[in-house]
Amino acid sequence: DAKTTQPPSMDCAEGRAANLPCNHSTISGNEYVYWYRQIHSQGPQYIIHGLKNNETNEMASLIITEDRKSSTLILPHATLRDTAVYYCMGPDTGNQFYFGTGTSLTVIP
Amino acid sequence: DAGVIQSPRHEVTEMGQEVTLRCKPISGHDYLFWYRQTMMRGLELLIYFNNNVPIDDSGMPEDRFSAKMPNASFSTLKIQPSEPRDSAVYFCASSPRTAWAKNIQYFGAGTRLSVL
Repeated sequence: DAKTTQPPSMDCAEGRAANLPCNHSTISGNEYVYWYRQIHSQGPQYIIHGLKNNETNEMASLIITEDRKSSTLILPHATLRDTAVYYCMGPDTGNQFYFGTGTSLTVIP
Repeated sequence: DAGVIQSPRHEVTEMGQEVTLRCKPISGHDYLFWYRQTMMRGLELLIYFNNNVPIDDSGMPEDRFSAKMPNASFSTLKIQPSEPRDSAVYFCASSPRTAWAKNIQYFGAGTRLSVL
């Protein structure tokens, strides 16, 4: 059962890096960590996922600790359009998704 | 591809009426998911299909809710009879088979349901 823990809210200055932490201490060895975000009034949007290596794509970077108990999503140059709720998750029991409450990121001009 | 398409975008109905929400997944995707989002409970998985077959409906709140997927390009979520507590945003998502193990889902814009 890979439940996750995230801070409820964070602020970030526009143009600076946004670092969003997630604790997933119960994740098992073969479970991926996934990150989604939800901009107000829109459907969730997939960002990135990883198993144990750091990952990077055009949207973000994902840093996973060596013990896999936590990870950090990095938005290298946050813009106002990055204001959203960010969800970190791993598969729940039965390999289903559990979205939790996420972190509400506010990018400040 | 136009992405996952949901209709209607907004639905207002009266208690006791039947409500049907519709979803067209991305072409070629094998998995389809229905979610419900409320302020109190967040985003909840209701049911998901694989190749048009319901796999897990344990999230369906009660017998008033039913979902079908008659073919690979269409799914419905029906509430009969509707109640005010069903008011929520309902999302449909789809996932290609190759991404299932990685749980990469593509969401529609949602249907905002208000039951008066």
